[in-house]
Amino acid sequence: QVQLQESGPGLVKPSETLSLTCTVSDRSISGYYWSWIRQPPGKGLEWIGYIYSSGSTNYKPSLKSRLTISIDTSKNQFSLKLSSVTAADTAVYYCARFYWSGYGDYWGQGVLVTVSS
Amino acid sequence: QSALTQPPSASGSPGQSVTISCTGTSSDVGAYNYVSWYQQHPGKAPKLMIYEVNRRPSGVPDHFSGSKSGNTASLTVSGLQAEDEADYYCSSYAGSNNYVFGTGTRVTVL
Repeated sequence: QVQLQESGPGLVKPSETLSLTCTVSDRSISGYYWSWIRQPPGKGLEWIGYIYSSGSTNYKPSLKSRLTISIDTSKNQFSLKLSSVTAADTAVYYCARFYWSGYGDYWGQGVLVTVSS
Repeated sequence: QSALTQPPSASGSPGQSVTISCTGTSSDVGAYNYVSWYQQHPGKAPKLMIYEVNRRPSGVPDHFSGSKSGNTASLTVSGLQAEDEADYYCSSYAGSNNYVFGTGTRVTVL
């Protein structure tokens, strides 16, 4: 059973950078697409991007200019940084283990990040 | 990269069947057999119910099934049970290593 746990600040000021880390319990971080998905309060899911275990990344085009996803295989962690945030970035952020064909079989519990001054 | 279109709500009585549609385009749902479905209970993380159109992960009850025709995928829940009441989201590969989710459907068990 693979477990994922998001961590990071729950409150970020407008124009600052949102930073989250996902810790994966399984040592087999290799061979998967480690993804971030977000869900604004009361709204639907939005795929943000992924990092493959080799370090290659792919981001949602509309977020590409503000988004960085990185991985530290030695710590079994991957991270998200979203810069210049606005209230529209307020959401529950989930990390998940994905396969290339786009399905996620293990998800973290999610963390609410609020953008507010 | 627009969200896939799902009906906002669907409902059925216990034991009945409900089918949720997920409409995309020839660039996503219609182009690939990479449609997945997730169940989300309030305050919980999504749970994978169907992947690659009609494959069920281990542990998912067999009264959940998926299909696809053209640009529309469908999730059928047969023999509705109280615990099936939840939000359901489809997702599809959209080419160029991008993925898109559906707008979500709230299923109510009457």
